[in-house]
Amino acid sequence: EDKVVQSPLSLVVHEGDTVTLNCSYEVTNFRSLLWYKQEKKAPTFLFMLTSSGIEKKSGRLSSILDKKELFSILNITATQTGDSAIYLCAVPYSGGGADGLTFGKGTHLIIQP
Amino acid sequence: SQTIHQWPATLVQPVGSPLSLECTVEGTSNPNLYWYRQAAGRGLQLLFYSVGIGQISSEVPQNLSASRPQDRQFILSSKKLLLSDSGFYLCAWSTGNTEAFFGQGTRLTVV
Repeated sequence: EDKVVQSPLSLVVHEGDTVTLNCSYEVTNFRSLLWYKQEKKAPTFLFMLTSSGIEKKSGRLSSILDKKELFSILNITATQTGDSAIYLCAVPYSGGGADGLTFGKGTHLIIQP
Repeated sequence: SQTIHQWPATLVQPVGSPLSLECTVEGTSNPNLYWYRQAAGRGLQLLFYSVGIGQISSEVPQNLSASRPQDRQFILSSKKLLLSDSGFYLCAWSTGNTEAFFGQGTRLTVV
């Protein structure tokens, strides 16, 4: 059974701090790893990672994958209150195709002004 | 561009009553469609997925069912709701080997 574990489950930091969110996974057939941000309702897509060591970047957010150690990190630099959200990590089902995603429980990030 | 609509946004239903949540996708053909439930402290759990009209696969045994009467319509139903059916239900679509895009969700409270 596929497994995704995120840590920490919650994190409170001050505006301007840098945070690192962790995601480890166990899957039978790895295809990709995805990061989502969920503020109030719909999770919104951030990154899809397929190759080890290649950083994906979008503004102050960046993410990298280590397929040997089976984990990924999501970094947020110079955090702002608008970064407060639940950050979700997911991997596609090992069955392949349209089987859906296995999600971790998420990291609840709170940025204090 | 593609959009996904999900309704209602919130719903309060008594135990034993029926349920119907609807999701429609615009701007794409033959999407893969999914229903997830998000319960407190448990993350998103896949309930059903569909690769085409009338094709439904269930990931977990439960009190719910799903149907796909049209290519871009996905319905989540129950004949008799249980207290344990309360949660946040999310519909999503993808083209298979890409990221999934989510609807705004339905907050269901069974009382």
